[in-house]
Amino acid sequence: EPEVTQTPSHQVTQMGQEVILRCVPISNHLYFYWYRQILGQKVEFLVSFYNNEISEKSEIFDDQFSVERPDGSNFTLKIRSTKLEDSAMYFCASSAGTGIPYEQYFGPGTRLTVT
Amino acid sequence: AQSVTQPDIHITVSEGASLELRCNYSYGATPYLFWYVQSPGQGLQLLLKYFSGDTLVQGIKGFEAEFKRSQSSFNLRKPSVHWSDAAEYFCAVAKPLDSNYQLIWGAGTKLIIKP
Repeated sequence: EPEVTQTPSHQVTQMGQEVILRCVPISNHLYFYWYRQILGQKVEFLVSFYNNEISEKSEIFDDQFSVERPDGSNFTLKIRSTKLEDSAMYFCASSAGTGIPYEQYFGPGTRLTVT
Repeated sequence: AQSVTQPDIHITVSEGASLELRCNYSYGATPYLFWYVQSPGQGLQLLLKYFSGDTLVQGIKGFEAEFKRSQSSFNLRKPSVHWSDAAEYFCAVAKPLDSNYQLIWGAGTKLIIKP
């Protein structure tokens, strides 16, 4: 069964450094998402992406964050200058279509630790 | 604003016993509700979803959930749990966006299975 993959599984970085989290969505999917879960808190929506542009973003997704689909398979989340509070589990998801009936398929997550 | 509450942080049940995980939502219109499961090292997998129609929804792995509008609940049930059901379970409601939807998540319930 096709699945969403994410690399790395765990990333440790120093405050102020840039990090790129990578995701390979399911191959025929067109819509891509990032969510994050700070330890002990709820999963939160960050951004959705379609047709090579951001379609929706939350207030969390500020200028420090960016997303990109650099080729036909990868979908990346970049944090320009990491802060301690960016430490979280980051989940990538993809869906075949837009709207309620289309399931969002999730990857296993990347645990980001900022020291 | 939409919100989801899972009152139990963790639940312990014996293998073979029945299970009910509670989920309450706050949403003004007809909600679209989901249950996801996350096993260690795995992504978030959709167990079942409710959009409309029959309020008792069947999912994968022998799970079912019942939508009760009067109680604003969408509790997950399984008649007989297996050790492989040990995981974290998340309830979510879809919040429509302009062109898509985002998931609003509960805090999760960790299920522990006693042998």
